[in-house]
Amino acid sequence: QVQLVQSGSELKKPGASVKVSCKASGYRFTTYGINWVRQAPGQGLEWMGWINTNTGNPAYAQGFTGRFVFSLDTSVSTAFLQITSLKTEDTAVYYCAILHGTYNDYLGQGTLVTVSA
Amino acid sequence: QSVLTQPPSLSGAPGQRVTIFCTGSSSNIGAGHDVHWFQQLPGAAPKLLINRYINRPSGVPDRFSGSKSGTSASLVITGLQAEDEAVYHCQSYDNRLSGVIFGGGTKLTVL
Repeated sequence: QVQLVQSGSELKKPGASVKVSCKASGYRFTTYGINWVRQAPGQGLEWMGWINTNTGNPAYAQGFTGRFVFSLDTSVSTAFLQITSLKTEDTAVYYCAILHGTYNDYLGQGTLVTVSA
Repeated sequence: QSVLTQPPSLSGAPGQRVTIFCTGSSSNIGAGHDVHWFQQLPGAAPKLLINRYINRPSGVPDRFSGSKSGTSASLVITGLQAEDEAVYHCQSYDNRLSGVIFGGGTKLTVL
């Protein structure tokens, strides 16, 4: 069945960069786009955007342009989220997700990114 | 401020029925976009609970049901159990934002 497995927790200093990976299995990778969702501590879910796994074209939600980059390595069915110039307010759990409106809709286990001096 | 509005919290005793509302607008639910519900157990990732307003994926108990009315959707849990204590998120799509939207989440406490 569909599964998305993400890389482990990260602790970074302000100004650094981080790259989170999301490896898909259980389906053909190009069937669904990969979405990215942020959940700040004690907060709800916030959609960051998505990347088309057929074309590699990303689309970013308002508030997630500039420092956020979505990318793919289709040879290993993996999507990536890179955040540059990290700020303390970027501290959150980041989820990759299939949000296609089907029974296969699924979120990865989440990656905690902590930004602290 | 989330585009979809949910009550921040709700509580109920075991065996009771609770309803969680998700209110949208003419650019999302009112425009015909489906609503999906996710359940987030403590310390876990959100998991699909209800698909397209009313459909339960395999393994989801029939105590959970969903419906739509106008620009709102609702999640009903009957026969409340201790393991239902979780945060429930509604999700849809918005034409004005051209993207996925979530409600703010409702924390359900089983008394």
